[in-house]
Amino acid sequence: DTGVSQDPRHKITKRGQNVTFRCDPISEHNRLYWYRQTLGQGPEFLTYFQNEAQLEKSRLLSDRFSAERPKGSFSTLEIQRTEQGDSAMYLCASSLYARGDQNYGYTFGSGTRLTVV
Amino acid sequence: AQKITQTQPGMFVQEKEAVTLDCTYDTSDPSYGLFWYKQPSSGEMIFLIYQGSYDQQNATEGRYSLNFQKARKSANLVISASQLGDSAMYFCAMSLGSSYKLIFGSGTRLLVRP
Repeated sequence: DTGVSQDPRHKITKRGQNVTFRCDPISEHNRLYWYRQTLGQGPEFLTYFQNEAQLEKSRLLSDRFSAERPKGSFSTLEIQRTEQGDSAMYLCASSLYARGDQNYGYTFGSGTRLTVV
Repeated sequence: AQKITQTQPGMFVQEKEAVTLDCTYDTSDPSYGLFWYKQPSSGEMIFLIYQGSYDQQNATEGRYSLNFQKARKSANLVISASQLGDSAMYFCAMSLGSSYKLIFGSGTRLLVRP
């Protein structure tokens, strides 16, 4: 178990470009969450998956953002036509959701820091 | 509205002393969870401690304890015997409903003085 991995760790992009981030959860975890953290603030929920199904999206997730989790394994978060306001740390977390409404092992990755110039 | 409030933007503590970081929460849901995370300058979110809303006893994990006062809707983190490596941002968070998405406070920056 190597924990939650995120790639890349840092990304600098020009305004208007598309970027894609990847998250590899802990292998036995069926839930995967994306959060965004701007400087000096706590993380904010963006979206989450249970297996391959995207169950909830925050209103923060504009049309330029799309997330996928094919086959219920790794997930990607794509931002199209990036804007300077997209500059933030993007954090991924995974957990094991079990019968009886129990959620275990909520673990965060180290994040991808995006800078839009 | 569901909300987490951390009123201390920054705190200092002398090495080896105890420190309390404040957290209050607001929710009308009877079932919720409360978390504390540590975020060093590297950016990773490190889980410290968890308290369920139905737990009768305060949670403890090594040098960390959570002072859970349900009637006051507070969930303060107590760190005993502070170490220099405890210097970091600390976030209080609440999990909601069956999604278990987390709502975070704005954080408290703790600096441990030698």
